[in-house]
Amino acid sequence: QKEVEQDPGPLSVPEGAIVSLNCTYSNSAFQYFMWYRQYSRKGPELLMYTYSSGNKEDGRFTAQVDKSSKYISLFIRDSQPSDSATYLCASCSGGYQKVTFGIGTKLQVIP
Amino acid sequence: EPEVTQTPSHQVTQMGQEVILRCVPISNHLYFYWYRQILGQKVEFLVSFYNNEISEKSEIFDDQFSVERPDGSNFTLKIRSTKLEDSAMYFCASPGQGSGGEQFFGPGTRLTVL
Repeated sequence: QKEVEQDPGPLSVPEGAIVSLNCTYSNSAFQYFMWYRQYSRKGPELLMYTYSSGNKEDGRFTAQVDKSSKYISLFIRDSQPSDSATYLCASCSGGYQKVTFGIGTKLQVIP
Repeated sequence: EPEVTQTPSHQVTQMGQEVILRCVPISNHLYFYWYRQILGQKVEFLVSFYNNEISEKSEIFDDQFSVERPDGSNFTLKIRSTKLEDSAMYFCASPGQGSGGEQFFGPGTRLTVL
């Protein structure tokens, strides 16, 4: 069983739309939850970082974690063409532990 | 955002040759990580390094791989005898200044084995 699962997409939305990206995970030990943005052949860029369940907002981005259902979400408001990238969800079980990634969802925002 | 740097950005090598990939992590941190991403696949953990010792390694990190800290600020990943399936992006990562759950990644080295 894959530890972190994501729909690879691609997901195409018009500029200005609200984007919803989702992940599920199977490892109950996961405590930290991250969203990374990755452009083609570049390193993952940390977008959002949450500990345990709850919501976190940063500008146009909101991350949600529901540990009871093992469900992770990222919402992007007022999406822009520059948001077009692959979004990776990731988790780890504790501080300084290895990070486990999903396959990533490719997002295209159409002008 | 803290910056991790890697060199070279692209390395082409012949099968069976040794390669050394280099990274300068976020300064003053004892933890350090290497990951790889085969084209079209997920980012996979290779090895974590703490205070000059390997703290955890994956099953991918076999005897062909080694990690070193040749001086105070640089880390290297060595692949002794490259195989075609070693072709991938290799990323190093450093923890942030918080509780250690977040990791900041370098731009990666693209390794092509011919």
